[in-house]
Amino acid sequence: GIQVEQSPPDLILQEGANSTLRCNFSDSVNNLQWFHQNPWGQLINLFYIPSGTKQNGRLSATTVATERYSLLYISSSQTTDSGVYFCAVEPRNFGNEKLTFGTGTRLTIIP
Amino acid sequence: DAGVTQSPTHLIKTRGQQVTLRCSPKSGHDTVSWYQQALGQGPQFIFQYYEEEERQRGNFPDRFSGHQFPNYSSELNVNALLLGDSALYLCASSSLGRAQDEQYFGPGTRLTVT
Repeated sequence: GIQVEQSPPDLILQEGANSTLRCNFSDSVNNLQWFHQNPWGQLINLFYIPSGTKQNGRLSATTVATERYSLLYISSSQTTDSGVYFCAVEPRNFGNEKLTFGTGTRLTIIP
Repeated sequence: DAGVTQSPTHLIKTRGQQVTLRCSPKSGHDTVSWYQQALGQGPQFIFQYYEEEERQRGNFPDRFSGHQFPNYSSELNVNALLLGDSALYLCASSSLGRAQDEQYFGPGTRLTVT
């Protein structure tokens, strides 16, 4: 099946810093989503981005489908940005709408 | 617009028992997928239900079964519980056939097997 790798696994930053999280995937995809998992386990949708670039406030994401990677940018980090960030992909196979998740990046923002 | 809801929030069971978890999808969605998330890992796909039938299944034993009702809500059943079944169980809903099939997740049910 498709492989999804995220880097770095852990990131510790001072409040106000910027960060870039990377997601590499091994095959063509129909769907790519970025999630933020809060300390209570809730997966919060950040972006639906199988290709192109999107921005939402301090967050933006870019997916280069032909090169099989996606980047999540967080600017001016706040302590509430702490948590685990997951990239999840849906392979480009008909009838295969399940999401395969990466292992996540744990982000810790220090005040 | 209600999001995805799950019940119960937490559950403690004993090895060998059976458990039922419940999920109501986001308004307008007709497809429910279940995921298991062990501590420190990403969620793993269990199965997906559409039109009251299991549409596809991940690499989980037959002890894991499910059901979807006419109102699109769904149940996940796990029989003969093992210690290794302790995890966060997440339900996701989506609308099959839409050009943008973004999945939305519920808050999860944390299952502890002792």
